[in-house]
Amino acid sequence: EVKLVESGGGLVKPGGSLRLSCAGSGFTLSNHYMNWVRQAPGKGLEWVSSISSNSRYIYYTESVKGRFTISRDNAKNSLYLHMSSLRAEDTAVYYCARDLRRVALDLWGQGTMVTISS
Amino acid sequence: SVLTQSPGTLSLSPGERATLSCRASQSVSSSYLAWYQQKPGQAPRLLIYGASTRATGIPDRFSGSGSGTDFTLTISRLEPEDFAVYYCQQYGTSPEYTFGQGTKLELK
Repeated sequence: EVKLVESGGGLVKPGGSLRLSCAGSGFTLSNHYMNWVRQAPGKGLEWVSSISSNSRYIYYTESVKGRFTISRDNAKNSLYLHMSSLRAEDTAVYYCARDLRRVALDLWGQGTMVTISS
Repeated sequence: SVLTQSPGTLSLSPGERATLSCRASQSVSSSYLAWYQQKPGQAPRLLIYGASTRATGIPDRFSGSGSGTDFTLTISRLEPEDFAVYYCQQYGTSPEYTFGQGTKLELK
């Protein structure tokens, strides 16, 4: 079965850090750009970050630049998002998503909830 | 470019035709316009990419059309499982992906 499974979410205090992981199975993750997309409670979708198959190209949405770091380990078929200096507005479900030739996101994980609160 | 979806909520009955609109503030290449379906508690699912190409496994009652700044997702005959929130999305640069605010398709 082709799937993505996120983990690592939880409750963190403002200013804290967290690392999310995404494990791919049933396909070769190294063949694809990968992405993180988040969704605040009751809100719409917001793209967060992308990483190319060889990690050469990395992109972030403006609000997380300097605070979030995307990375990948192709040998482990895994994607990561290290988040620091977390703010209340970072509270969301975080999805990892596979890139379809840089036009759409064709495979999504089930998401992991990140809550930033004191 | 900002994507604006309309209506915000669409109330229809099974068997009816649904027409959802997505308008971009600047012209978008059709190649870079996609649609997703999201049900409560679930991840989004890709329906349409390239404005009109159905993703793998998507029934042919879903169709996409449009160009420039105006795009449409049409569901020809609604099935009970089609009631959900629908998002349009464009691929660009900085940010890479932009989503509309969503249209909720609800049971009348």
